[in-house]
Amino acid sequence: DIVLTQSPVSLPVTPGEPASISCRSSQSLLHSDGHNYLDWYLQKPGQSPQLLIYVSSNRASGVPDRFSGSGSGTDFTLKIRRVEAEDIGVYYCMQTLQTPPMYTFGQGTKLEI
Amino acid sequence: QVQLVESGGGVVQPGRSLRLSCAASGFNISTFGMHWVRQAPGKGLEWLTVISLDGSNTFYADSVKGRFVISRDNSKNSLYLQMNSLRSEDTALYYCARMNYHEYNALDVWGQGTTVSVS
Repeated sequence: DIVLTQSPVSLPVTPGEPASISCRSSQSLLHSDGHNYLDWYLQKPGQSPQLLIYVSSNRASGVPDRFSGSGSGTDFTLKIRRVEAEDIGVYYCMQTLQTPPMYTFGQGTKLEI
Repeated sequence: QVQLVESGGGVVQPGRSLRLSCAASGFNISTFGMHWVRQAPGKGLEWLTVISLDGSNTFYADSVKGRFVISRDNSKNSLYLQMNSLRSEDTALYYCARMNYHEYNALDVWGQGTTVSVS
């Protein structure tokens, strides 16, 4: 099974400052179609997870452009250009490459002001 | 309004069964793969299972394989999770989620979750 390891586990940030979260995969997430099947989700306190980024670098509908995703193969990064108070919560990466489907999440990174 | 609403959670004894439901509104689930994901108290997200558009293909995490069964009724716009032989470690908040093929299988719509407590 593919294991995703996120770092850091906890990320204290100051509003207005940038933030970066890493997600490393035990196997390459690059598909033959050229896309890396790695998504990012944010779970705000008391809420369900919401999709931020799909296939490594594509922002989901309605996601502010201060969020960006990058990476390929086994190393991926989620960046927040300037953190806002509403960005607090736990960020998860998830891989959807493995076939037959055996999807996995990273352990999460808690962003706190 | 696109929405998923889970129901059926509750308190159940170890070894017993429970069936969760997920009702979709605002879209037709027959055009989407569907997932169940859970979150144990204070823990992270755990992917459990996925079902194809017509229900002909299902896949499970090792932790629930052989005990849980995912199914769907497209005529009722609903998804289900039959949970058998429940264990204390199955205690969690259970989410259903929509898989969007246009977003390369990302889970773009999530329900609010239903709580299962095995005790």
